Amino acid sequence: ELQLVESGGGLVQPGGSLRLSCAASGFTFSSYWMHWVRQDPGKGLVFVSRINGDGSSTNYADSVKGRFSISRDNAKNTLYLQMNSLRAEDTAVYYCARENLKLGRDAFDIWGQGTMVSVSS
Amino acid sequence: DIVMTQTPLSSPVTLGQPASISCRSSQSLVHSDGNTYLSWLHQRPGQPPRLLIYKNSNRFSGVPDRFSGSGAGTDFTLKISRVEAEDVGVYYCMQATQFPRTFGPGTKVEIK
Repeated sequence: ELQLVESGGGLVQPGGSLRLSCAASGFTFSSYWMHWVRQDPGKGLVFVSRINGDGSSTNYADSVKGRFSISRDNAKNTLYLQMNSLRAEDTAVYYCARENLKLGRDAFDIWGQGTMVSVSS
Repeated sequence: DIVMTQTPLSSPVTLGQPASISCRSSQSLVHSDGNTYLSWLHQRPGQPPRLLIYKNSNRFSGVPDRFSGSGAGTDFTLKISRVEAEDVGVYYCMQATQFPRTFGPGTKVEIK
């Protein structure tokens, strides 16, 4: 079964750090661009970061640039998001998603169930 | 960044009746490769989004044929020919023509 499972969310104080993980199964993980997308409580979806198949290319939203770092371990079929200097406005559910270029660069065809990050003192 | 807008933001619909959601982009979504990278996602309460439509009008595997996408340039539409109970939730359009990917604010579909 094609699956993405996130973990690592939780409550953290402003200025703190968290590392999110996204474990992939059922497909050749290294063949796909992967994304992190977040959803503020009760609100819409926002792109956070993306990484190509071999990890050599990464991009970030301006709001997280310099604070967040995306990476992947293809041997472990796992995507990561290292989040530093966290702010209250980073509070959200974080989803990992697969971009299926065989269909199109807009085809986010697999999503994880999400992991909640709460930044509060 | 390309700004995506959707109308309506809320849509009460009657079971068995059609529904339509509009999505507009602040710039043309025609990519230099000739494709239009506009997708539609559906999110049920407490669930992650799921892909419905990609490249403007292509239905994703397993998506019922009552869902269709159309449009061009900056104006796009998602249509549900006959709404079923499982169609409730929030629908988002997303553009991938230009970095960064941006999403519409969502349209909440509920049954009257």
